[in-house]
Amino acid sequence: QKEVEQNSGPLSVPEGAIASLNCTYSDRGSQSFFWYRQYSGKSPELIMFIYSNGDKEDGRFTAQLNKASQYVSLLIRDSQPSDSATYLCAVDDTGKLIFGQGTTLQVKP
Amino acid sequence: EADIYQTPRYLVIGTGKKITLECSQTMGHDKMYWYQQDPGMELHLIHYSYGVNSTEKGDLSSESTVSRIRTEHFPLTLESARPSHTSQYLCASSEASGRTGDEQFFGPGTRLTVL
Repeated sequence: QKEVEQNSGPLSVPEGAIASLNCTYSDRGSQSFFWYRQYSGKSPELIMFIYSNGDKEDGRFTAQLNKASQYVSLLIRDSQPSDSATYLCAVDDTGKLIFGQGTTLQVKP
Repeated sequence: EADIYQTPRYLVIGTGKKITLECSQTMGHDKMYWYQQDPGMELHLIHYSYGVNSTEKGDLSSESTVSRIRTEHFPLTLESARPSHTSQYLCASSEASGRTGDEQFFGPGTRLTVL
């Protein structure tokens, strides 16, 4: 059974700080990795995807992938209260996605 | 912004009723998915389709059925609803990218309550 693991949190950071969200996955053959944000009562929305080892930056968001360690992370710089949500990590599984349980982020003003 | 729609958004029904949850997308995506998500819990894939007349069961066993007669439409049916079916049902679609995983876009969801 392929697995995607995230710390459920909550992760609490002050406004303006860097939030670091982590995800590990079990299938060494996985090649596509996604981060989704889900506000309470809403559906997930895609933030970023990453396919290659290293960092990928998009505005305040940076995704980091280390395939050797089977580890993918999301950094949110200058965290805002509007970033408070659950962040879902998703990993490919033969055309489908396996989602982690999500990490709840709380950004305190 | 993704154009994927789900109706109804909220549904409260009695036990034993037959229901169909609608999902449509206007992006021409070949792949479509149904997920079930309880509050505060993870997403579970219950059905998916890679194209017209193609449907597969997902990782979570479900008593629901799906059909894919048209590319844009992927309805989910429960023949006899039970309280254990109470959940949020999310529909998603993706365009085949040639990679092993595709960016999925989600609809707004249907929150189902079975009394």
